[in-house]
Amino acid sequence: DAKTTQPPSMDCAEGRAANLPCNHSTISGNEYVYWYRQIHSQGPQYIIHGLKNNETNEMASLIITEDRKSSTLILPHATLRDTAVYYCIVRTQSNTGKLIFGQGTTLQVKP
Amino acid sequence: DADVTQTPRNRITKTGKRIMLECSQTKGHDRMYWYRQDPGLGLRLIYYSFDVKDINKGEISDGYSVSRQAQAKFSLSLESAIPNQTALYFCATSGPGQLVGYTFGSGTRLTVV
Repeated sequence: DAKTTQPPSMDCAEGRAANLPCNHSTISGNEYVYWYRQIHSQGPQYIIHGLKNNETNEMASLIITEDRKSSTLILPHATLRDTAVYYCIVRTQSNTGKLIFGQGTTLQVKP
Repeated sequence: DADVTQTPRNRITKTGKRIMLECSQTKGHDRMYWYRQDPGLGLRLIYYSFDVKDINKGEISDGYSVSRQAQAKFSLSLESAIPNQTALYFCATSGPGQLVGYTFGSGTRLTVV
C-alpha cells in the first residue's frame, strides 16, 4: 500500500485559505487519494477524493500534481469549525479496499 | 437517525470482563469495519467484513473478535478486557470499489480499569 507523509501540524487564519500538503510518492497508477478529517474525537468525515484530475466539492478542492506524487487539500475560506486532524489516505487497489490511516495533520484555525 | 450507530457511547469495565460493542448501519452497504484510536494517534483497523459470511483480521486483531449478524450489524467483542484496550472505537461502512467514501459512527469510548 502506498504510504503518505503529512506535516504534523499547521496554523491558518480564519477566513484565509488553508492548504494542506500530502506526499504519496509510491502511489500506484490506479490508486485514489482520499481526504478525511476528524473533529475532536468524532468519527472521521469524508471530504473529497481524486485520481489524477483536480476535484472540487462544497467542502474543499483537491489538487493532484501531474506525476501524482503529491496533492494539496484546499479549504478556501477556513473557519474555526475547520479545526481538526486531516488525513490523507491512498486507497488500496486490492479487493480489501481498506483505509489505512496515518498520523494526519492537525489544522488549527485561529481568529 | 445516524447512518452508522454505535452503542454504547461510553463504557467503563473491569479487567477480565467480556464486553461487546455494537454497530448498525442504514446505508445498505456490504462492507463494515472496526477501528481503534488511541490518544494522539491515527485509527488502526481491527477487523473488517465484506459481507455476512466474510470476516477478516486487520492490523491489530489480537484480543478481539467480531460477529456479523446481518448486513446491517457488526459487533466487536473483547473476550477478556485488559487496560491497554482502553481506547476510542469506531465502526465504519463503505460501498464497493474506489468511488464511495467511508461513513463512520460517532465512536465508543471504552475504559478498562
